[in-house]
Amino acid sequence: DGGITQSPKYLFRKEGQNVTLSCEQNLNHDAMYWYRQDPGQGLRLIYYSQIVNDFQKGDIAEGYSVSREKKESFPLTVTSAQKNPTAFYLCASSMAGGKKDEQFFGPGTRLTVL
Amino acid sequence: AQTVTQSQPEMSVQEAETVTLSCTYDTSESDYYLFWYKQPPSRQMILVIRQEAYKQQNATENRFSVNFQKAAKSFSLKISDSQLGDAAMYFCAWGATNKLIFGTGTLLAVQP
Repeated sequence: DGGITQSPKYLFRKEGQNVTLSCEQNLNHDAMYWYRQDPGQGLRLIYYSQIVNDFQKGDIAEGYSVSREKKESFPLTVTSAQKNPTAFYLCASSMAGGKKDEQFFGPGTRLTVL
Repeated sequence: AQTVTQSQPEMSVQEAETVTLSCTYDTSESDYYLFWYKQPPSRQMILVIRQEAYKQQNATENRFSVNFQKAAKSFSLKISDSQLGDAAMYFCAWGATNKLIFGTGTLLAVQP
């Protein structure tokens, strides 16, 4: 079955540590995205990538980094510079980056900073 | 900047009844797309319905339909014959190039 996988489902991190969230898709989609979800705020875009080896900052990129070395993979690193990293993180993909394109979402990763 | 507003943080409906969730947006563009996504307790985001702004006809998907008022910048979702499985958070979203702009969501409870 085609879809998007995210791992791990739950992640705990100590303050000052970097942590990487995994996102893999087998939908053959060109575009991939990372969103952050906080209570009462909806989803906000962190980074997106339209093609391998290229990515762009979204609305809240500070304290995060990404890579896109393979079409199928778009890992997100939450660095120690992110001041409030505890949140639910959702990865998504779409055929391209067009306005009309449906975005397909993964099951999410809940990150908690201890 | 484009914004999406959902003014109803929570709604409740009786099973088999109809409920309407509100959404307004602000944009200066004329060609765009609007979406409703459902997020059940599993937190998996699922597309419910999509509307193309240049189409005057309201989109429908089985029990789900929209009331799209372009001049008023309104995009409400109507759920008919509500079922227990419809209980979820519903997000309205505006489709921009390379991203979706989401509202803050409406939590829908379905009473048996």
